[in-house]
Amino acid sequence: EIVLTQSPATLSLSPGERATLSCRASQSVGNSLAWYQQKSGQPPRLLISEASTRATGIPARFSGSGSGTDFTLTISSLEPEDVAVYYCQHRVTWPPWTFGQGTKVEIK
Amino acid sequence: QVQLVESGGGVVQPGGSPRLACAVSGFTLTFYGMHWVRQAPGKGLEWVAFVRSDGNTKYYADSVKGRFTISKDNPKNTLFLQMNSLRVEDTAVYFCVKDRDYGNFEYWGQGTLVTVSS
Repeated sequence: EIVLTQSPATLSLSPGERATLSCRASQSVGNSLAWYQQKSGQPPRLLISEASTRATGIPARFSGSGSGTDFTLTISSLEPEDVAVYYCQHRVTWPPWTFGQGTKVEIK
Repeated sequence: QVQLVESGGGVVQPGGSPRLACAVSGFTLTFYGMHWVRQAPGKGLEWVAFVRSDGNTKYYADSVKGRFTISKDNPKNTLFLQMNSLRVEDTAVYFCVKDRDYGNFEYWGQGTLVTVSS
């Protein structure tokens, strides 16, 4: 089973700052990695698939990069509505499909 | 637009056997695989089960294998999760999720809370 480790656990930034979230896989997942955003009380929403492809309707300030075992989700200029928990998830050697433990993004 | 609406949650005693349902609209269930994903209170996301578009090929997390059964009724555009022998640790919000490309969790329902408690 592939283990995904996200860091940091919590990120506290001011509006307009750049947020950088990391996801590391225990073995290569190629580019088969997705990112999800979950706001409080809501279901997760797909942000990024195939490591760097934004889903429909996702603002351009969200971008994904990386391949193999190291991936990054970047929010170029943090907005108050970006407060959420962000999860990474792979889709190789399934089942199971596994998620990282999440990074909580807060506004200072 | 795509909508997924779960039902069937509630408070269940340990050992109980509820059945969750997910009514979908905006797409035809016949052509898509579907997942159930759960989230224990205050915790992260855990994949539970997947059924391929054909409805015959199914996969389960080790934590639920032998106890849960995923199925879909294509004419009724409804996904199901039959849960048997429930344990306290099965307490969670259960989300119905439309699959894309075998593992992109494209659309999510709002979820239904199952609480296992005596």
